[in-house]
Amino acid sequence: GQQLNQSPQSMFIQEGEDVSMNCTSSSIFNTWLWYKQDPGEGPVLLIALYKAGELTSNGRLTAQFGITRKDSFLNISASIPSDVGIYFCAGRKAAGNKLTFGGGTRVLVKP
Amino acid sequence: GAVVSQHPSRVICKSGTSVKIECRSLDFQATTMFWYRQFPKKSLMLMATSNEGSKATYEQGVEKDKFLINHASLTLSTLTVTSAHPEDSSFYICSAPGLAISDTQYFGPGTRLTVL
Repeated sequence: GQQLNQSPQSMFIQEGEDVSMNCTSSSIFNTWLWYKQDPGEGPVLLIALYKAGELTSNGRLTAQFGITRKDSFLNISASIPSDVGIYFCAGRKAAGNKLTFGGGTRVLVKP
Repeated sequence: GAVVSQHPSRVICKSGTSVKIECRSLDFQATTMFWYRQFPKKSLMLMATSNEGSKATYEQGVEKDKFLINHASLTLSTLTVTSAHPEDSSFYICSAPGLAISDTQYFGPGTRLTVL
């Protein structure tokens, strides 16, 4: 099925660094969602974006809904060890409709 | 926020047996629920949309007779993996959308199925 293009696929972080990831699509979505998934658990919603151009923050997380409605980015500022995990973007065309997921960004700690 | 539960969280079964996984919306009603499958280090792949009171809608390539879905009430959907084989081993996750415009989808904690 269709997937969103999410990048990077993986990244190493050092505590205190800022982290950025983004998703792009060839089609328009009306809602963009960002989830974090820890091993063996279901995804947990981080930020939801409902309007083109919207910039929303949740603590150290900031996400934006692209003006073209075909992209979104997520920033994590001043990363901490518990930020490790897999982050997924998801797009939705209408309320209640199914989500289309990105391939995920695996955030790891630098050895 | 809204909570979705799944049961069991982990199941190991012998090849050829059937396994039922339950997905419940705990504090809200869901006329629609979604079932996903996730392989290790991969993204979530939608398998089917479960519709309360009617037949499920399956994604292309998903066998309806293999993955039986029943949405018997506004708070419960079940996925039955029939005649399971080792290649069916995976992490199965359900989700349910809220009904308000600003609502989003809430995911269950997932069920790890291992078929021996």
